[in-house]
Amino acid sequence: QTVVTQEPSFSVSPGGTVTLTCGLSSGSVSTGYYPSWYQQTPGQTPRTLIYSTNIRSSGVPDRFSGSILGSKAALTITGAQADDESDYYCVLYMGSGIYVFGTGTKVTVL
Amino acid sequence: QVTLKESGPALVKPTQTLTLTCTFSGFSLSTTGVRVGWIRQPPGKALEWLARIDWDDDKFYSTSLKTRLTISKDTSKNQVVLTVTNMDPVDTATYYCARIRASGAATWFDPWGQGTLVTVSS
Repeated sequence: QTVVTQEPSFSVSPGGTVTLTCGLSSGSVSTGYYPSWYQQTPGQTPRTLIYSTNIRSSGVPDRFSGSILGSKAALTITGAQADDESDYYCVLYMGSGIYVFGTGTKVTVL
Repeated sequence: QVTLKESGPALVKPTQTLTLTCTFSGFSLSTTGVRVGWIRQPPGKALEWLARIDWDDDKFYSTSLKTRLTISKDTSKNQVVLTVTNMDPVDTATYYCARIRASGAATWFDPWGQGTLVTVSS
C-alpha cells in the first residue's frame, strides 16, 4: 500500500516563507507523478493550487509555487498571508488511473 | 461554468450499500478526454481518492477499496453514480465528486462538488 507523506503541521509568520513537502513511503517523487496541490479551509471544498508539479491553477496568487525538491514534491508559500491558514494536500498520480492523496499539512499563520 | 453536486442518503446502517449520485453541468462525459472522480474525507482526517470514470467508460478504483466500489455514468442525465457496499462506521465521511481535468498526461481534480456527509450508524 503506497503512502504519500506530508508534514503534519507548519507554523509561519505573516510575510514569511514555508515549504511543504510530499513524499513517497518508498521511492522518489518525480514530475512523472504529476503532483497537484489543494488548499482546504475548515468546512470548505478543496481548491486547486498547483497541477503538473508547478503550474498554478487559474486565479491562484503567485506566492504559491510548486517544484520537486530532492526526492519530494514541494509547495512553497512566499509572503504568507493570514488567509493562507488552511490544510494543504498533495496528490500523486501512480499510473493506471490510480491516485493517492497525501496525509495533509495544517499551516498556521501567526 | 462547470459545477458538480453530490446527493445521497445522509445516514446509512452498517452492512448496507451506499449509493451516491454526482450531477454535473458545464461539460459532457461523452466528450473525449472527460473524466470524473470521487474522493472522501472522514471528519477531521485526510482526503482519500476512491474512483474515476472516463468518457470511454474506463473505470479505476482505489486499491484498498476496489472490492466494495462501483462507479458508473449516465451520460444522458449528466450523472456519475458511486456505490459502496458493506458500509461500516469507518466509512463515515464527506464524499466529494470532482471533474478530473487534463493537460497532456497530467490530470488533476478541479472543480469539486460541495460534498455530502454520510454517517454510518445503526
